[in-house]
Amino acid sequence: GAGVSQSPSNKVTEKGKDVELRCDPISGHTALYWYRQSLGQGLEFLIYFQGNSAPDKSGLPSDRFSAERTGGSVSTLTIQRTQQEDSAVYLCASSLGTRGQPQHFGDGTRLSIL
Amino acid sequence: AQTVTQSQPEMSVQEAETVTLSCTYDTSENNYYLFWYKQPPSRQMILVIRQEAYKQQNATENRFSVNFQKAAKSFSLKISDSQLGDTAMYFCAFSYNAGNMLTFGGGTRLMVKP
Repeated sequence: GAGVSQSPSNKVTEKGKDVELRCDPISGHTALYWYRQSLGQGLEFLIYFQGNSAPDKSGLPSDRFSAERTGGSVSTLTIQRTQQEDSAVYLCASSLGTRGQPQHFGDGTRLSIL
Repeated sequence: AQTVTQSQPEMSVQEAETVTLSCTYDTSENNYYLFWYKQPPSRQMILVIRQEAYKQQNATENRFSVNFQKAAKSFSLKISDSQLGDTAMYFCAFSYNAGNMLTFGGGTRLMVKP
């Protein structure tokens, strides 16, 4: 597609449920990034993919968070047993993958945990 | 660790005037990249301008220009002839390694007044 596409746009769920967030990057972009934007923490890096592999998972806040990328394209971020502090906007970005290349962002998924 | 600081949480400017947003960063790296992103209420992060640290010349993009002072670790954004559509959150960001992950500042909320 023309830009990075994320779904759903908004997600409301109960504490303790699992959620899956989807990101479809720009065609041809080998690198894919997940960030979290919350009021208290600002913008935080979560995980990075180069192709299907994730060389850097250092930003994942706990083992309840996981992500995968298949076919070098679509990525899914999964949060298990959601907690209220997981409420945030989850942003996905993609780039050509080489050092210094600008990242192009999707519109994000606003996750609200009740 | 790399840090990015934006010391102005909020700013306002009259339409058609010029405004400068401040950004400082801390790093021991010598080769890195700096970015300004704009986030309007629609939530999508939009790249405004990019600077390569090894280039002395300040980057410009139409009404947007930067003042990059490498020794001072300063990277300010100047917006000339401000327009109502410039109203947004502005984030300064830094990347330096092959993974190209972004470290963001806390953001500056800019309001352009008619």
